[in-house]
Amino acid sequence: DAGITQSPRHKVTETGTPVTLRCHQTENHRYMYWYRQDPGHGLRLIHYSYGVKDTDKGEVSDGYSVSRSKTEDFLLTLESATSSQTSVYFCAINPGSGGGELFFGEGSRLTVL
Amino acid sequence: DAKTTQPTSMDCAEGRAANLPCNHSTISGNEYVYWYRQIHSQGPQYIIHGLKNNETNEMASLIITEDRKSSTLILPHATLRDTAVYYCIVPTLGRLYFGRGTQLTVWP
Repeated sequence: DAGITQSPRHKVTETGTPVTLRCHQTENHRYMYWYRQDPGHGLRLIHYSYGVKDTDKGEVSDGYSVSRSKTEDFLLTLESATSSQTSVYFCAINPGSGGGELFFGEGSRLTVL
Repeated sequence: DAKTTQPTSMDCAEGRAANLPCNHSTISGNEYVYWYRQIHSQGPQYIIHGLKNNETNEMASLIITEDRKSSTLILPHATLRDTAVYYCIVPTLGRLYFGRGTQLTVWP
């Protein structure tokens, strides 16, 4: 157990509403990541963070924003959800110094109607 | 963009070794190769990584060719619970980009 939890685990919302997903870690690791996974696409990196208030974009960042005001929480926000953002969202933490060994959360399934 | 290519699917009999290949012909000298797997609906799980020497841990072995352009992940005695999608990844600027991986099916 890498001490990473995601909330909510399941959410159904309507187009145009704001949605925030939370990733919480108990280990105070510096690096955190948000991915989305869709059929036929594997996992795609949305945003990542390398410290408090330090974030950067991944390969599919349009329509998403993130915030990291404290080490343990990395929030992913959809300002105005669209049906194309229906997906499973995974958070990950890196216990090292930025290498490739990540630990993933259990995922948050978001459905936008 | 993923820097690796993997077969779309493979299968293996339970108890036999599963050998999953990966090509990474553009890998540079200081880049590691990482392997993950994802069992249905769960988050990906780290398996192993290596630079140029062969590596082994409790889950698997990683064989990297001498020219580093390809590698093979070996599950020595596959079980039904090893059925999963296996990803071979070469990080880009420290970020992991997952391709579509190899669907390994272990049959009884």
